[in-house]
Amino acid sequence: EVQVAESGGGLVQPGGSLRLSCAASGFTFSDYVMNWVRQAPGQGLEWVSGIRGDGGTTYYADSVKGRLTISRDNSKNSVFLQMTSLRVEDTAVYYCARGAAGSASDWYDFWGQGTLVAVSS
Amino acid sequence: DIQMTQSPSSVSASIGDRVTITCRASQPISSWLAWYQQKPGKAPRLLIYATSTLQTGVPSRFSGSGSGTEFTLSISSLQPEDFATYYCQQANYFPPLFGGGTKVEIK
Repeated sequence: EVQVAESGGGLVQPGGSLRLSCAASGFTFSDYVMNWVRQAPGQGLEWVSGIRGDGGTTYYADSVKGRLTISRDNSKNSVFLQMTSLRVEDTAVYYCARGAAGSASDWYDFWGQGTLVAVSS
Repeated sequence: DIQMTQSPSSVSASIGDRVTITCRASQPISSWLAWYQQKPGKAPRLLIYATSTLQTGVPSRFSGSGSGTEFTLSISSLQPEDFATYYCQQANYFPPLFGGGTKVEIK
């Protein structure tokens, strides 16, 4: 059974940093592009970042480029999102999601339950 | 930049009704479109990908159609568990982009 689970969210001040983790199981982790998708309170879904199976290629939305860094550790079936210079508008539930088709722009067939990041002073 | 527009933004319907949601892309996206269902406090669930392919485990009352710039998600006979918000998403261009969502509410 495929499972994806995020952790690491919390309350942080503007300008602060946070590191999200996503642990996956039930599939050959290194075969898949893994992604982060966020949802601000009461709002829609926004793709944030993705990383190819070998970790060699990363993708970012313009809104987070230069502030968020995605990485993965295939030996631990985990993907991470290092968040720096956080802004109030980064407040959202962050979901880890598996890319289904192996593309930079993809659809997402398995999602975690999400972890809340709140940026506030 | 491509834009994805869903309509309506909300719809009220009764159990057993047929519901249709439309998603329009500002540029042609071939068949690279997916639909998700999201219930309050839960993660999105992939329902349909490549415009019309049902994800494993999704009931056959859900169907998708369209091509180019106009796509539809249909629920043939609305069930109590179908009350949720539905999102379309294009995967033809980078970055992937979701529509604004359609909330299906109980009439």
